[in-house]
Amino acid sequence: EPEVTQTPSHQVTQMGQEVILRCVPISNHLYFYWYRQILGQKVEFLVSFYNNEISEKSEIFDDQFSVERPDGSNFTLKIRSTKLEDSAMYFCASRAELVAGVQETQYFGPGTRLLVL
Amino acid sequence: DAKTTQPTSMDCAEGRAANLPCNHSTISGNEYVYWYRQIHSQGPQYIIHGLKNNETNEMASLIITEDRKSSTLILPHATLRDTAVYYCIVRVARRSYNTDKLIFGTGTRLQVFP
Repeated sequence: EPEVTQTPSHQVTQMGQEVILRCVPISNHLYFYWYRQILGQKVEFLVSFYNNEISEKSEIFDDQFSVERPDGSNFTLKIRSTKLEDSAMYFCASRAELVAGVQETQYFGPGTRLLVL
Repeated sequence: DAKTTQPTSMDCAEGRAANLPCNHSTISGNEYVYWYRQIHSQGPQYIIHGLKNNETNEMASLIITEDRKSSTLILPHATLRDTAVYYCIVRVARRSYNTDKLIFGTGTRLQVFP
């Protein structure tokens, strides 16, 4: 069964460093998302991406964050200058196109655990 | 904020049915009810969704009340591996609406015991 994959599974970085989290969405999906979950807290929406541009972003997704689909398979989240409070699990999700006017389900990857020291 | 209300936690004996309630009294006519679960810190796993009819798949059944203000997720024969946090989410589904973020609440922590 097709699934969303993410790399790396764990990333440790120093405060102020740049990190890139990678995701390979399900192959025929066209809509991509990043969510994050700080330890012990809710899963929070960060950004959605369609047709090579951001569709929606949350207040969390400030200028330190960027997303990109550099090729036909990868979807990346970049944090330019990490802060301690960026430590969290980051989940990528994807979904297919509308079917009969109904949005398809979002499927999530296993996540990347980011620790900023 | 999440538009749903769920109990914080529930217990269920292995092999018995787990019935997880969700209140969504402000749901709109074009909003679906989705259920996901999260085992430990893994990615949320899709379970089932519905609009107004009851739904069943290989994982679970979803019972939606006639007024659509509440629903119940049923795991017919819970196993230890069903121990997880279960999220009930309402989501808009419109033909021209390209953005559809999921808003997660705190969910119900289901503990299945032997």
